[in-house]
Amino acid sequence: DQQVKQNSPSLSVQEGRISILNCDYTNSMFDYFLWYKKYPAEGPTFLISISSIKDKNEDGRFTVFLNKSAKHLSLHIVPSQPGDSAVYFCAANFQGGSEKLVFGKGTKLTVNP
Amino acid sequence: EADIYQTPRYLVIGTGKKITLECSQTMGHDKMYWYQQDPGMELHLIHYSYGVNSTEKGDLSSESTVSRIRTEHFPLTLESARPSHTSQYLCASSEKTGIPSEAFFGQGTRLTVV
Repeated sequence: DQQVKQNSPSLSVQEGRISILNCDYTNSMFDYFLWYKKYPAEGPTFLISISSIKDKNEDGRFTVFLNKSAKHLSLHIVPSQPGDSAVYFCAANFQGGSEKLVFGKGTKLTVNP
Repeated sequence: EADIYQTPRYLVIGTGKKITLECSQTMGHDKMYWYQQDPGMELHLIHYSYGVNSTEKGDLSSESTVSRIRTEHFPLTLESARPSHTSQYLCASSEKTGIPSEAFFGQGTRLTVV
């Protein structure tokens, strides 16, 4: 039973355009959400996070939006660059739990020049 | 840049062999984790540790074992490798701050058991 779902296995966008990656979760106890970026044959790299007390967090070209009522978050990349091409994983955990990260299956983003 | 290292990066080994995957971090993090990932799938937690002499099983059952004798070192051992163990193994660490925080990952070990 997947608690963190990324329903789009892949996404293709043009360089300079916006990339929007989506993530849904089922466990209402999650209160901390993270996005990781992963290149082939490499470990995931932390990108950006958001606490459940916020609905938006921005870091340069990357913005994460959280909609708690819908149990949905999204990662926006503006403008997209070819170097952003990678697999993006959504992850979640909660304080008071074991603080273990629960991951989605990932979305492969391809940014075309 | 995270200072967490895994060796080897790639390993091809025969069935029945004993293997140890190494993971070391120089950040002084108390929490360390092992995840397993198959292509196109999510990362599954197989082991974690909150500090020296602390080890716990993760959400995904695994025949591997771990040890945490030193803060910086968290090796994973398979006593008898089988083809079903073929996967990517990712080690991670995070600070024990009492609040959720990001985990830093090593580059992973791609294990193939033939």
